[in-house]
Amino acid sequence: GESVGLHLPTLSVQEGDNSIINCAYSNSASDYFIWYKQESGKGPQFIIDIRSNMDKRQGQRVTVLLNKTVKHLSLQIAATQPGDSAVYFCAENQTGRRALTFGSGTRLQVQP
Amino acid sequence: KAGVTQTPRYLIKTRGQQVTLSCSPISGHRSVSWYQQTPGQGLQFLFEYFSETQRNKGNFPGRFSGRQFSNSRSEMNVSTLELGDSALYLCASSLGQRGTQYFGPGTRLLVL
Repeated sequence: GESVGLHLPTLSVQEGDNSIINCAYSNSASDYFIWYKQESGKGPQFIIDIRSNMDKRQGQRVTVLLNKTVKHLSLQIAATQPGDSAVYFCAENQTGRRALTFGSGTRLQVQP
Repeated sequence: KAGVTQTPRYLIKTRGQQVTLSCSPISGHRSVSWYQQTPGQGLQFLFEYFSETQRNKGNFPGRFSGRQFSNSRSEMNVSTLELGDSALYLCASSLGQRGTQYFGPGTRLLVL
């Protein structure tokens, strides 16, 4: 598969552990945030989103936390599985603007 | 419901040529956005189409253009290809202009 980033920060975890992937954003006007997962050879896959009027949102095995004070976003994956191995991107958006601004990505490697 | 489809999946062109990429959005989705993904620059917004009109444009030269048809399918065109245009071109669709963007698998373009 193709590489989506040759020098991505990498998080290596053991299967069954919890993973935390962090993202800092710079635009204080951003009010919508999304996490995407990209596997080799595929397009980004939507995981979970959160609006700026919330600070936490939970999905199936995933939780997104938003700290607007320090402009920080995190994705927590519970009981990480080998199928979670991928590159994870955070993206931000501002109401009225369509363009998503993506972070540089974090590679998650799950060791069996 | 079928996801976003993009054709072709892989393409090889030479400098100076032009290329047209196609995107079929998820059924019922009316907004289509295009992104370029490279290892060096990451994911960058190209433009967005809604109701056959370009609504937003990223910071790319005029060689990059697009259009949307009445059935919401979209094409993007790159003229006078340069080596630096080699990238994964991703299309994303959403219900409306405020909806979550869902990505297709991308078209891998290699310019020689």
